[in-house]
Amino acid sequence: EMQLVESGGGLVQPGGSLRLSCSASGFTFSGSAMHWVRQAPGRGLEHVSAITYDGTTTYYAESLKGRFTVSRDNFKSTVYLQMTSLRPDDTAVYFCVKDLWTYSSSFGVFHSWGQGTLVTVSS
Amino acid sequence: IVMTQSPGTLSVSPGERATLSCRASQSVGSNLAWYQHKPGQPPRLLVYRASTRATGISTRFSGSGSGTEFTLTISSLQSEDFAVYYCQHYNGWPPYTLGQGTKLEMK
Repeated sequence: EMQLVESGGGLVQPGGSLRLSCSASGFTFSGSAMHWVRQAPGRGLEHVSAITYDGTTTYYAESLKGRFTVSRDNFKSTVYLQMTSLRPDDTAVYFCVKDLWTYSSSFGVFHSWGQGTLVTVSS
Repeated sequence: IVMTQSPGTLSVSPGERATLSCRASQSVGSNLAWYQHKPGQPPRLLVYRASTRATGISTRFSGSGSGTEFTLTISSLQSEDFAVYYCQHYNGWPPYTLGQGTKLEMK
């Protein structure tokens, strides 16, 4: 059974840092592009970041302005989101998402989602 | 690319049909997906390539459209269909924008 389990969320002060992790199982992780999508309280879904299956290319929402870094370890079947200079408007549930396609140049369909981890940025 | 969904809230009785709209600010071809999101759960992929149902999705869900205008139709609404629905383009390179959502509520 395919599983995505996020961890690392919590309460952090403005300006602080957090690293989210997403542990994957039940599918060919090394062949799957991965994404992070967030939902702020009372708001819609926002695509935060993406990383290709081999980790060679990464993408970020313009609003992040270089504060977040996505990476992956295909030996550990884990994807990470390093978040720095956190602001109150980064408060959200962060979902780890598996792309639909495997070892493909097609990209961008959010196929399978983790349960999410809550990040709260507040003093 | 800005994705605009309408209406913001749609009130429909069980057993009836619901039609949700999504408009892209520029052409996205058929690179359009729909998701269902219920409170306390992660979103669920319903449709991709504008009209291809994801594995395990009921035939009551159908997507159509291309370019800038898209529609998700849910026939014969059941109680479990009441949720928020999002469209999302995946044209070109990420990040990919989603619409603001349509809340489908029971009338």
